Amino acid sequence: DARVTQTPRDKVTEMGQEVTMRCQPILGHNTVFWYRQTMMQGLELLAYFRNRAPLDDSGMPKDRFSAEMPDATLATLKIQPSEPRDSAVYFCASALTERQPQHFGDGTRLSIL
Amino acid sequence: ILNVEQSPQSLHVQEGDSTNFTCSFPSSNFYALHWYRWETAKSPEALFVMTLNGDEKKKGRISATLNTKEGYSYLYIKGSQPEDSATYLCALNFGNEKLTFGTGTRLTIIP
Repeated sequence: DARVTQTPRDKVTEMGQEVTMRCQPILGHNTVFWYRQTMMQGLELLAYFRNRAPLDDSGMPKDRFSAEMPDATLATLKIQPSEPRDSAVYFCASALTERQPQHFGDGTRLSIL
Repeated sequence: ILNVEQSPQSLHVQEGDSTNFTCSFPSSNFYALHWYRWETAKSPEALFVMTLNGDEKKKGRISATLNTKEGYSYLYIKGSQPEDSATYLCALNFGNEKLTFGTGTRLTIIP
């Protein structure tokens, strides 16, 4: 079965460090999403892309977060500088179209000390 | 603001019993409704996507129905098993790829 692959699975780092999370969407899926799991809001959409173009990043703190798709097989989410409040599980998902299910990766568990 | 509401928030069901829960949404601007199962410490897993009024989908012991005119969907689980314990998320597309998620129904099956 095709899967969305996220790396790293776990990341622990100190406050102020740069963090890069990577996602390989399912081949052929043209829509890619970044979510953050929070206690209060459940699944929070940070950004999403269609055909590698960013469509909506309104859920993302712009001063420290950036999301890119350098090519169709790689999406990245960067935090610089990281802060303790960024500690969360970050999920990437991909979909064929909006009427098809989103397939989620296993997530990156991020801890900022 | 387009709200997706799920009820109940949590549910405890005896193993072997059947159960159901609800997702409510504004019926205008409807595009597609998704159901996901999210087990603790795992990632959400897609169950169904429904688009048409009257749609019914089934996967094993789990089924779902959709009423777009009155703005609700039901998820049914027949003969609950311990592995059904999870949070069940409903989410909607309102005209684009973004999903608006409900807060989920947390289901616990009691052996």
